[in-house]
Amino acid sequence: EPEVTQTPSHQVTQMGQEVILRCVPISNHLYFYWYRQILGQKVEFLVSFYNNEISEKSEIFDDQFSVERPDGSNFTLKIRSTKLEDSAMYFCAGNRDNEKLFFGSGTQLSVL
Amino acid sequence: DQQVKQNSPSLSVQEGRISILNCDYTNSMFDYFLWYKKYPAEGPTFLISISSIKDKNEDGRFTVFLNKSAKHLSLHIVPSQPGDSAVYFCAASENTGNQFYFGTGTSLTVIP
Repeated sequence: EPEVTQTPSHQVTQMGQEVILRCVPISNHLYFYWYRQILGQKVEFLVSFYNNEISEKSEIFDDQFSVERPDGSNFTLKIRSTKLEDSAMYFCAGNRDNEKLFFGSGTQLSVL
Repeated sequence: DQQVKQNSPSLSVQEGRISILNCDYTNSMFDYFLWYKKYPAEGPTFLISISSIKDKNEDGRFTVFLNKSAKHLSLHIVPSQPGDSAVYFCAASENTGNQFYFGTGTSLTVIP
């Protein structure tokens, strides 16, 4: 069964550094998402991406965040200058339409 | 603003008995509801869904009930098995958008 693949599984970075989280969505998916879960809290929507542009974003997704689908395969989330409060598990997800989301296994980001 | 709420952070059930997980929502525009299961260090995996035109959907041991007037849905697992021990998230979306709103999760422990 096709899977959403995320790398790395763990990322440790210093506050103020840039990080790029990578995802390879399922090939026939059209919509792509980033969610995050801070330890003990709910899974929060960050951004959705369709047809090479952002279709929706939450208040969390400020100017420090950006997404790209540079080569039609990878889907990346960049955080330009990480803050302590960006520490969370980041999940990439995808679907073909307004149907169930398929999630990757996540990247645990730790900002020190 | 938490549009999807799971008020029970944890639930313990004996093996073989029924597990009932509850979820409430506030947005009357939601018309598609899903349950996800999450094991530690893994991404959420889709379990079962229901659209607002139905009030029940069943898949094996899992049944989701939707009460639109009460803005409430529940997931029934019967019989519960130790392998069902995980965190369960409910999620909801509107047909006009592709953002999914998640609850905070309920940690289910099935005791052998």
